[in-house]
Amino acid sequence: AQKVTQAQTEISVVEKEDVTLDCVYETRDTTYYLFWYKQPPSGELVFLIRRNSFDEQNEISGRYSWNFQKSTSSFNFTITASQVVDSAVYFCALSGSLNYGGSQGNLIFGKGTKLSVKP
Amino acid sequence: DTGVSQNPRHKITKRGQNVTFRCDPISEHNRLYWYRQTLGQGPEFLTYFQNEAQLEKSRLLSDRFSAERPKGSFSTLEIQRTEQGDSAMYLCASSYILAGGGSYNEQFFGPGTRLTVL
Repeated sequence: AQKVTQAQTEISVVEKEDVTLDCVYETRDTTYYLFWYKQPPSGELVFLIRRNSFDEQNEISGRYSWNFQKSTSSFNFTITASQVVDSAVYFCALSGSLNYGGSQGNLIFGKGTKLSVKP
Repeated sequence: DTGVSQNPRHKITKRGQNVTFRCDPISEHNRLYWYRQTLGQGPEFLTYFQNEAQLEKSRLLSDRFSAERPKGSFSTLEIQRTEQGDSAMYLCASSYILAGGGSYNEQFFGPGTRLTVL
């Protein structure tokens, strides 16, 4: 079975602090994909970043960075120098491997972490 | 292209009534997904289409729920004989999958339809 766990329910930080959102996943697939989505108060899920299971290279994109570790089944997401506009619920998601016309591809989401950035 | 659109944005109905939601995906996307999100939870998968074919349904999708995607373009999700437990945000997402797979399947979401069953 596939499962995503986001143990942090709510995090509150002051603007300009760095914040790391934790994500732990479970899957039996050897090839899989991991994602982070942001859901601001307006409600629309916004795609942020993605990673595939065979590429553990960590990257930085602007103020966002992520740390993917297969050994611990973790895919943590860091926002550097947080801003008030970063306040939202952040979801980690997992997808199984894809085959064209196959039966997989739906995202398995965690319960989300609500981030509040205060001025 | 302006992204995935959903209509209506809000729907209030009485228990026992039928409701229908519409999703217009990003035009070149060949996959379309429906999810349901309740308060404080992450979205849960309901069903998805590859072009016009419905390929998978979650066990969450009871026989009161039906989805269509005629001609592989827009999709509709109908709930018959609504129950209070159906109250949720219904999200639509679309993605583009290359033939042979191997795509990341980044799914782009619409704003959702919030259903309230009284």
